[in-house]
Amino acid sequence: DGGITQSPKYLFRKEGQNVTLSCEQNLNHDAMYWYRQDPGQGLRLIYYSQIVNDFQKGDIAEGYSVSREKKESFPLTVTSAQKNPTAFYLCATSLMGGSNSPLHFGNGTRLTVT
Amino acid sequence: AQSVTQLDSQVPVFEEAPVELRCNYSSSVSVYLFWYVQYPNQGLQLLLKYLSGSTLVESINGFEAEFNKSQTSFHLRKPSVHISDTAEYFCAVTPVPNSGGYQKVTFGIGTKLQVIP
Repeated sequence: DGGITQSPKYLFRKEGQNVTLSCEQNLNHDAMYWYRQDPGQGLRLIYYSQIVNDFQKGDIAEGYSVSREKKESFPLTVTSAQKNPTAFYLCATSLMGGSNSPLHFGNGTRLTVT
Repeated sequence: AQSVTQLDSQVPVFEEAPVELRCNYSSSVSVYLFWYVQYPNQGLQLLLKYLSGSTLVESINGFEAEFNKSQTSFHLRKPSVHISDTAEYFCAVTPVPNSGGYQKVTFGIGTKLQVIP
């Protein structure tokens, strides 16, 4: 089945540690995105990538980093510089970076930092 | 730039009753409009979209939404809800592009639909 796999589903870390969230897709979509979801705030874009080896900052990129070495993979690293990292993180893809292609989402990773 | 307002953060409704979830947007250019649904602890799924043509769009599970350009609205309706419709619903807009490249998707804050047995 084609889809987007995010792992792990739940992640717990101590403050000050970097952590990497995995996102893999087999939809053959060009564009990939990372969103952060907090209660009552909707979805906010962290980073996006339209092609391999290229990515752009979204609205809340501070404290995060990404890479896009393969079309299928777009891992997100939450660094110790992110002041409030506890959140639900969603990876998404689309056929192209154009706006008429709907987003396809993974099932998310819930990160808790204590 | 565009913005999306979902006026109700929570909507309780009895099973088999009708429901309307409201969405208004603001944009200086033409937009595409989407509704996504999120079940607990899952990602979002596309429910329906308006790109062009008929202003009334329907989903396979009985939801419909009507694009009203003059009122800049895209309200979601269902004539009779089921328990399984309990979820959070997000309205989203993105500009119709003049050229290629990334076009930002702006989401509303979501409306939680609670269907009461």
